[in-house]
Amino acid sequence: KQEVTQIPAALSVPEGENLVLNCSFTDSAIYNLQWFRQDPGKGLTSLLLIQSSQREQTSGRLNASLDKSSGRSTLYIAASQPGDSATYLCAVHPSNDYKLSFGAGTTVTVRA
Amino acid sequence: DGGITQSPKYLFRKEGQNVTLSCEQNLNHDAMYWYRQDPGQGLRLIYYSQIVNDFQKGDIAEGYSVSREKKESFPLTVTSAQKNPTAFYLCASSSYTFNEQFFGPGTRLTVL
Repeated sequence: KQEVTQIPAALSVPEGENLVLNCSFTDSAIYNLQWFRQDPGKGLTSLLLIQSSQREQTSGRLNASLDKSSGRSTLYIAASQPGDSATYLCAVHPSNDYKLSFGAGTTVTVRA
Repeated sequence: DGGITQSPKYLFRKEGQNVTLSCEQNLNHDAMYWYRQDPGQGLRLIYYSQIVNDFQKGDIAEGYSVSREKKESFPLTVTSAQKNPTAFYLCASSSYTFNEQFFGPGTRLTVL
């Protein structure tokens, strides 16, 4: 069974600092990996989707990398802003299962 | 605007009642999903539908039921058999099973 871990569970940084969020998974046989953002009491917003054949994906200040062999993905957010404060979740799509496996998330606070 | 709508935003259930959560999408997606989110836990899959008139149980289907009579609609019924239904419920859809998932705003269910 695919296990997805996100460490740390919470992170606080001053405005302007770059954010580095980690996601690890136990089974490297994946179809894709998706990063989401969740604001308190809201649904999930899809940030980036990385296919298993890709090494990274970029959107604006966000960059996500994928290393399947080591079971790791990293989400980088450049020049953080208070509006980046939210919980970030990663989810892995195993190649042999229709179900996404979610991590518990990292809650980020960006201090003004 | 294309997207996923869920209603109601808040729902209160008395002991022994069945309640139905609505999920509608106008993205023309084939696949739809129901997840449950509890504090400190990752999202858990309740039910999944790949096409109209077909659905499969997820990891925590006991006490829940679904139907998929129309492509755009995937309602979830929380029955009285679900002993601990207080949670945040999220509906999602994707164009096909392994593609990027998009989420609705969620329904918070509380048992009185």
